[in-house]
Amino acid sequence: KNQVEQSPQSLIILEGKNCTLQCNYTVSPFSNLRWYKQDTGRGPVSLTIMTFSENTKSNGRYTATLDADTKQSSLHITASQLSDSASYICVVILSSGNTPLVFGKGTRLSVIA
Amino acid sequence: DGGITQSPKYLFRKEGQNVTLSCEQNLNHDAMYWYRQDPGQGLRLIYYSQIVNDFQKGDIAEGYSVSREKKESFPLTVTSAQKNPTAFYLCASRDFNQPQHFGDGTRLSIL
Repeated sequence: KNQVEQSPQSLIILEGKNCTLQCNYTVSPFSNLRWYKQDTGRGPVSLTIMTFSENTKSNGRYTATLDADTKQSSLHITASQLSDSASYICVVILSSGNTPLVFGKGTRLSVIA
Repeated sequence: DGGITQSPKYLFRKEGQNVTLSCEQNLNHDAMYWYRQDPGQGLRLIYYSQIVNDFQKGDIAEGYSVSREKKESFPLTVTSAQKNPTAFYLCASRDFNQPQHFGDGTRLSIL
């Protein structure tokens, strides 16, 4: 069964600190992996997209990594800001099938002053 | 600005009532999607449409219906057959091989 598991479920960090969110997947056939940020009461917004051949991709203070061999991805947030408080959702896209997106349950990040 | 507009932001349903959630996009995307989001769960696909006048059931289509008469519009009806409709509903659209763009959702509650 295609699954995407994210950890931790929730995380609280101090403003200015770094953090890393994890995503493990058992999805086949794999096409690409995306991280989304979802503010409370809003729709998700795409942060990064990574294909099978990419190991690292950055978007400002967000850096995503992908290890296709171990089927793991991480999202590293540097120098966190209060505005980083949100849910971060890992989405794996299949290369075939009518419903190709498999969503993780998200990690709820709270950045406090 | 191009984007996806969902309305209303909040919606209340009485027992036995059908309600319709609006989703409009001006991104000229062919594909549109409806998801349901419950606390502590990942997004679940209700219906999707890859082209005008065509749509397909997703993983949890029971109790829902859609139409796709225009490229820009993909309304979702939550029927009285959906016994647990309280959730956050997200509409998305996508261009080929690009990430989905999401609207800001409609929160549906039962009176």
